[in-house]
Amino acid sequence: DAGITQSPRHKVTETGTPVTLRCHQTENHRYMYWYRQDPGHGLRLIHYSYGVKDTDKGEVSDGYSVSRSKTEDFLLTLESATSSQTSVYFCAISESTSGGVGETQYFGPGTRLLVL
Amino acid sequence: QKEVEQNSGPLSVPEGAIASLNCTYSDRGSQSFFWYRQYSGKSPELIMFIYSNGDKEDGRFTAQLNKASQYVSLLIRDSQPSDSATYLCARVYNQGGKLIFGQGTELSVKP
Repeated sequence: DAGITQSPRHKVTETGTPVTLRCHQTENHRYMYWYRQDPGHGLRLIHYSYGVKDTDKGEVSDGYSVSRSKTEDFLLTLESATSSQTSVYFCAISESTSGGVGETQYFGPGTRLLVL
Repeated sequence: QKEVEQNSGPLSVPEGAIASLNCTYSDRGSQSFFWYRQYSGKSPELIMFIYSNGDKEDGRFTAQLNKASQYVSLLIRDSQPSDSATYLCARVYNQGGKLIFGQGTELSVKP
């Protein structure tokens, strides 16, 4: 299994509070991704990173920010949590984006977030 | 318009049968695809990827890509109850390694 951990694994928070989720990898992969998974929507990309301090938006980035100060850590912050951000959040990593097997994304165990 | 479409199912097959899972896509951009399996409450795990037209086999799994008809499929031979899961089709979106996922097909293999 790819060495990916996410913390916390479960969190309950209140509307309006900031929340930070952490993704940690031991594979030294350059690319990291944050997805959310909701019933009927599948996995949707929030933000991704293509190197330290290099990040970009995905398809559902509103209300989220990210930071990557080290290769191994990718943080996702909900600036002011809303009930619509209740979801399961997955981090993923990949070795490259140049096609073939290296482009495979490996997923962490996920974080279940409930915003009340 | 969502770029990757899957029938959400559930698809029910008897043990030992062939399960056929399909995924269609809407344009002729990047045509590299991944199939993931996701057990309930777990994270997606890679089954296989395909980017060339035709078939690719790995054990009981065969991925098929038909670029002319814009579909990709996953066949599971000799289906087992342990194959019961949601199967996600994902397509590489332009550059940067971004994946667009279908909504997943739930497969149930009945003993």
